[in-house]
Amino acid sequence: NAGVTQTPKFRILKIGQSMTLQCTQDMNHNYMYWYRQDPGMGLKLIYYSVGAGITDKGEVPNGYNVSRSTTEDFPLRLELAAPSQTSVYFCASSYPTPPEQYFGPGTRLTVT
Amino acid sequence: KQEVTQIPAALSVPEGENLVLNCSFTDSAIYNLQWFRQDPGKGLTSLLLIQSSQREQTSGRLNASLDKSSGRSTLYIAASQPGDSATYLCAVFLREYGNKLVFGAGTILRVKS
Repeated sequence: NAGVTQTPKFRILKIGQSMTLQCTQDMNHNYMYWYRQDPGMGLKLIYYSVGAGITDKGEVPNGYNVSRSTTEDFPLRLELAAPSQTSVYFCASSYPTPPEQYFGPGTRLTVT
Repeated sequence: KQEVTQIPAALSVPEGENLVLNCSFTDSAIYNLQWFRQDPGKGLTSLLLIQSSQREQTSGRLNASLDKSSGRSTLYIAASQPGDSATYLCAVFLREYGNKLVFGAGTILRVKS
């Protein structure tokens, strides 16, 4: 099993550009999550999904959108990138129970 | 609002020492708690999950305890090794639908050989 995979690993965007961060899991987990991690800070939840077709906002959703058309995939869309979105983005997944979350390797995004 | 604090922010110890990392949370009505390890430039690796009915969990040289009444968890690392050097993150599950996590800022551990 590959677990949780994320692409790309690195990306540099110009202000106002858009992009999609890809996340795929092969563990048949119902729940999936997107977090961002800023330097010296803990991770903050952007969006989460409890199943295909069901998504909801986390703590810091502004400037982002998600969709969940399949169990495996949970892409994160950035529209009109801003310097404040410079961060490392992590995708995670879990079963409803046990709730242990498994993380991908992250995408390092810089907006200049 | 649930807040998670980890103390110390950084710790440097000689190889072989036993050490304790601390995690405190403001709302004791948590569901479960998970400890992670993060190596520089890498993702998070799950170390231990303590479910609400448990008081501790052990994996190899790691032991994590949970005291919900005092709002604290500790991660004990026995006989530390240079390979243990990493950032250790504590995260608590909110008592809400979706198993959402609230993270602390982490403890940066350096084990010197």
